[in-house]
Amino acid sequence: GAGVSQSPSNKVTEKGKDVELRCDPISGHTALYWYRQSLGQGLEFLIYFQGNSAPDKSGLPSDRFSAERTGGSVSTLTIQRTQQEDSAVYLCASSLEGGLEETQYFGPGTRLLVL
Amino acid sequence: GQSLEQPSEVTAVEGAIVQINCTYQTSGFYGLSWYQQHDGGAPTFLSYNALDGLEETGRFSSFLSRSDSYGYLLLQELQMKDSASYFCAVNNQGGKLIFGQGTELSVKP
Repeated sequence: GAGVSQSPSNKVTEKGKDVELRCDPISGHTALYWYRQSLGQGLEFLIYFQGNSAPDKSGLPSDRFSAERTGGSVSTLTIQRTQQEDSAVYLCASSLEGGLEETQYFGPGTRLLVL
Repeated sequence: GQSLEQPSEVTAVEGAIVQINCTYQTSGFYGLSWYQQHDGGAPTFLSYNALDGLEETGRFSSFLSRSDSYGYLLLQELQMKDSASYFCAVNNQGGKLIFGQGTELSVKP
């Protein structure tokens, strides 16, 4: 595709429900990153994929958060038993090979609101 | 711990020059990146410094001093469309980015 796409663009859920957020990276990009941005804040790293493997999950806030990537392409971030503090914009980015100097291309994000 | 410090807000007028500073303290450092984010939009890449010195890309320049753990983004000939949030980010292992809290730039006519 032309760029990184994410769905849904907005999600409102009730506390305690599970949500799934989807990211489609740029075609051919092997590296994929998930970040979280709370209102008026910087981006917080969550997890990084190289292909289908996740060598760095250090940013996942709790065991309620998990992510997977299949076919070296689409990734899903799942939040179980959502809490109000999970409300944020979840951003996905991809880069060609995950090299240190490579540009990361960001998607438009999913705005999650937990009531 | 990991921390990046940058001013929360900067205001300037059209046509002026503005500098946004960033100091960092991180475990692991491979370079300093700058991203621009308009309200509600996706962050977009502006510049990257791996080595000390100045990198120039059109109206935008970025500087890095590794010995001082300091960098800045310089925006020249400011335009109204430059009003946005600007983030410095440390490039870390695996290519992940550690972001600052962002600087909101307001450009006035």
